[in-house]
Amino acid sequence: SQLAEENLWALSVHEGESVTVNCSYKTSITALQWYRQKSGEGPAQLILIRSNEREKRNGRLRATLDTSSQSSSLSITATRCEDTAVYFCATDASGSFNKLTFGAGTRLAVCP
Amino acid sequence: NAGVIQTPRHKVTGKGQEATLWCEPISGHSAVFWYRQTIVQGLEFLTYFRNQAPIDDSGMPKERFSAQMPNQSHSTLKIQSTQPQDSAVYLCASSLDSAETLYFGSGTRLTVL
Repeated sequence: SQLAEENLWALSVHEGESVTVNCSYKTSITALQWYRQKSGEGPAQLILIRSNEREKRNGRLRATLDTSSQSSSLSITATRCEDTAVYFCATDASGSFNKLTFGAGTRLAVCP
Repeated sequence: NAGVIQTPRHKVTGKGQEATLWCEPISGHSAVFWYRQTIVQGLEFLTYFRNQAPIDDSGMPKERFSAQMPNQSHSTLKIQSTQPQDSAVYLCASSLDSAETLYFGSGTRLTVL
């Protein structure tokens, strides 16, 4: 079973709109990471949010973490065509970041 | 900084043949990771090295798969007697010692006919 999983398989928004991707996880964690993977590329880390943090920002990106409900969200404001990608959350039960478990990913389409 | 370099980008093998995938980590990174990505299973951890030493290979299929890191500038993933179910994108990543951020290469797409 997945230790981390995104709640929606696919989303589509118009450029300029905001969008939120959600993730739930099943184990106690020290941190949760959000990655983005564009077509033909490897995943790229967007945000790492630690278990003692409730929110973290990176430009137009905002991640939240709720350890009580074991869930996280990644919000993107003012979306652009180049935000089109698959978004993954990832956790490591060991706390050492050495063996990440990725969710299945949410495919976000911003431009047709 | 060229990032993590993986070669070849695409490899097609016949069933039963051997496939060797190459990874050049970012210079100065002490940890190298291998992941496999398929539509059905998603991204799966295979193995990782730290300072060239194998640390955890718990994700590697015990038969036919092996990984090595003979020097700090490259790692290889070898699959013997390839099977159609080995078809996947194999991703290599490297990181600094803390491993808080993995830097992935673009992957090698392996197709076993």
